Amino acid sequence: DTAVSQTPKYLVTQMGNDKSIKCEQNLGHDTMYWYKQDSKKFLKIMFSYNNKELIINETVPNRFSPKSPDKAHLNLHINSLELGDSAVYFCASSQGRGNYEQYFGPGTRLTVT
Amino acid sequence: GNSVTQMEGPVTLSEEAFLTINCTYTATGYPSLFWYVQYPGEGLQLLLKATKADDKGSNKGFEATYRKETTSFHLEKGSVQVSDSAVYFCALRETGGFKTIFGAGTRLFVKA
Repeated sequence: DTAVSQTPKYLVTQMGNDKSIKCEQNLGHDTMYWYKQDSKKFLKIMFSYNNKELIINETVPNRFSPKSPDKAHLNLHINSLELGDSAVYFCASSQGRGNYEQYFGPGTRLTVT
Repeated sequence: GNSVTQMEGPVTLSEEAFLTINCTYTATGYPSLFWYVQYPGEGLQLLLKATKADDKGSNKGFEATYRKETTSFHLEKGSVQVSDSAVYFCALRETGGFKTIFGAGTRLFVKA
């Protein structure tokens, strides 16, 4: 049983295109996250939703727009893709406020050409 | 603000060697501390955690002790295996918060 799943696993696209990444969790968690991991493995928080409410919105270009239709889903839409957007994007979930660990999806490797 | 600093890699060891990966943190309040591991091509997964001072987290032969006096949470393993080759992330969860702050990651290579 997959806990946190993401689609697609690989995404290759050209500059200027618009793309979406989808994430779903079946753990019953109420908080979900998007992270960006660069080629040096540095992990940067982008967004977080708690009960469908945006609670973390780091310094991210407004070409990136998250959307949470319900507690189990968090999608990421990216407009006008740029070369620098190439990275691995991870979705994660946790039980919410407090000392809870995060559960990560397998990642989506985005390559912009 | 809160932050996590861990030793730079890569760390290269021979099989059965002793492993230490240093991690120190800066935080207000009483954060929870974590080690996550990322195997090639996969997402991060929790390795161990400690939620208060002097707690020891342990899993799969790895250990780390929450030291408030030195603000440290060093990861240790007595005898590493080739299968331990991965990237290790130290992290803290802000007291009563939603945000987890990750260190930069330390890549470990274990040679047979």
